[in-house]
Amino acid sequence: GAGVSQSPSNKVTEKGKDVELRCDPISGHTALYWYRQSLGQGLEFLIYFQGNSAPDKSGLPSDRFSAERTGGSVSTLTIQRTQQEDSAVYLCASSLWAGGYNEQFFGPGTRLTVL
Amino acid sequence: AQSVTQPDIHITVSEGASLELRCNYSYGATPYLFWYVQSPGQGLQLLLKYFSGDTLVQGIKGFEAEFKRSQSSFNLRKPSVHWSDAAEYFCAVGGNTGTASKLTFGTGTRLQVTL
Repeated sequence: GAGVSQSPSNKVTEKGKDVELRCDPISGHTALYWYRQSLGQGLEFLIYFQGNSAPDKSGLPSDRFSAERTGGSVSTLTIQRTQQEDSAVYLCASSLWAGGYNEQFFGPGTRLTVL
Repeated sequence: AQSVTQPDIHITVSEGASLELRCNYSYGATPYLFWYVQSPGQGLQLLLKYFSGDTLVQGIKGFEAEFKRSQSSFNLRKPSVHWSDAAEYFCAVGGNTGTASKLTFGTGTRLQVTL
């Protein structure tokens, strides 16, 4: 079946612009995670959604970052007033349920470059 | 706070040689441990995972890992490396349920295989 998809695959933007990154999880997966992979920082957790529960936003680096998940499916990560340090690969993952025993399936990522 | 340390940034092995990638973790509860592989331009793929039971776990592509609670380690091994194993390897730790299921990753070990 289809895996996790992300769009766009690459995004180049100018400093100060807003960007939206999209994630389509595997159908039926209730848990969705966003991670960021950047040079020098490795992979870091950003935000987690589980069903209709309030998301865990504890990993968001600043209030310029926000995310939503509509209808328990598609998620959008929004970065406002982008900065050069936001340049990274943004990875989305989904799992059937939240819980360590449920494998997180990762999408191919969106490479964001802020000029 | 939970953390994962991968002390080797870069490892080079000859094809056919054995491989061991080190991973040490810090986690306050029962850890769920994972090894992921990321090939160039590809997303993260789960190699194996440990939750409980037998401390030696088998994964895909001939990889195995051993959980040693006393040493807080979860090292990845392969008896004979193939050129196609060249990639970046990430160790990760997570929890059982809910928000604890978010993964904390190590900084990765890049494996180079020489022919």
